[in-house]
Amino acid sequence: DGGITQSPKYLFRKEGQNVTLSCEQNLNHDAMYWYRQDPGQGLRLIYYSQIVNDFQKGDIAEGYSVSREKKESFPLTVTSAQKNPTAFYLCASSITSGSGANVLTFGAGSRLTVL
Amino acid sequence: QKEVEQDPGPLSVPEGAIVSLNCTYSNSAFQYFMWYRQYSRKGPELLMYTYSSGNKEDGRFTAQVDKSSKYISLFIRDSQPSDSATYLCAMSVTSYDKVIFGPGTSLSVIP
Repeated sequence: DGGITQSPKYLFRKEGQNVTLSCEQNLNHDAMYWYRQDPGQGLRLIYYSQIVNDFQKGDIAEGYSVSREKKESFPLTVTSAQKNPTAFYLCASSITSGSGANVLTFGAGSRLTVL
Repeated sequence: QKEVEQDPGPLSVPEGAIVSLNCTYSNSAFQYFMWYRQYSRKGPELLMYTYSSGNKEDGRFTAQVDKSSKYISLFIRDSQPSDSATYLCAMSVTSYDKVIFGPGTSLSVIP
């Protein structure tokens, strides 16, 4: 079945540590995205990538980093510079065909808790 | 003012009721309007999308867009307990533009 796989589902981090969240898709989608979801704030865009080896900052990129070395993979690193990293992180992908809505397919999410 | 606003609820209705979920937005350039459903601890999934103004129906779900009022709605007929979820509206200017999400409305359908 085609879809997006995020891992780990739950992650605990001590203050000062970097952690990396994995996102893999087998949908052959060009674009991939990372969102952060906090209660009452909806989804906020962290980073997005429309092609391999290229990515752009979203609205809340500070304290995060990404890479896009393969079309299928878009890992997110939450660095120690991110002041409030406890949140639900969602990876998504879409076809950038230029017609129709930019429909996002989401993974199941990764919940990060800072101890 | 946030770009997209949505009453967070929670909204609680009896099974079989008609549910109305709404969003307002400030950017008149938005052309694509989407509704996503998110079950607890899961990723959102697309319910339906519309382009520009008008209505779109899919089974028990109807999406309406009123661009003159910058207001979109999702109606759920004959609501079921399985409809209990958070509903997120989302919109974008073009088909390849970034998508802006509302904060979501939490819905509970009571048997």
